[in-house]
Amino acid sequence: GEDVEQSLFLSVREGDSSVINCTYTDSSSTYLYWYKQEPGAGLQLLTYIFSNMDMKQDQRLTVLLNKKDKHLSLRIADTQTGDSAIYFCAEIGDSSASKIIFGSGTRLSIRP
Amino acid sequence: ETGVTQTPRHLVMGMTNKKSLKCEQHLGHNAMYWYKQSAKKPLELMFVYSLEERVENNSVPSRFSPECPNSSHLFLHLHTLQPEDSALYLCASSQDMKTQYFGPGTRLLVL
Repeated sequence: GEDVEQSLFLSVREGDSSVINCTYTDSSSTYLYWYKQEPGAGLQLLTYIFSNMDMKQDQRLTVLLNKKDKHLSLRIADTQTGDSAIYFCAEIGDSSASKIIFGSGTRLSIRP
Repeated sequence: ETGVTQTPRHLVMGMTNKKSLKCEQHLGHNAMYWYKQSAKKPLELMFVYSLEERVENNSVPSRFSPECPNSSHLFLHLHTLQPEDSALYLCASSQDMKTQYFGPGTRLLVL
């Protein structure tokens, strides 16, 4: 079956940029997502990118997509303590029967 | 606020109790989902409803029983649960089975 993989942990100094990486296997992916989950909360949709784009920027967030390598990244500029959370990468294919596939999440911690 | 609400936010129940989790979406979506999130495990899709019909049931034990009376409401009825069922239960909704929007979850503890 299709798979999405992420590293489990990332530690970044406050004020630096964070880059969270994700790889996926579905060659028919149409939408790719980044969700953020703070402690005790649900998953918040942060941003998404269509598979025919290679970059999307939204304030401090930059999403890069390398469709050839099936690699997605999320860059958070000027990382703040409020960015501490688990970040989930997810993708969905192009058929009406496609299911969204989530990665296991990357826990981002911020050092002072 | 994502437009998806869940009640209760926290629930403690004994193994012989019967309880229900409720989810409501205010986004006009036509699909709703239940997920289970346990510590140190990936997000597990439990049930999917599209146009009020169940389209996915991922080998979930029968002690979990979903109900979708209309496109805005989704319930998860619980009975004779086990301690290993303790988890965060997340509801989500989407339009045409695409981008999903999640509720805040119900933290369930089974004693």
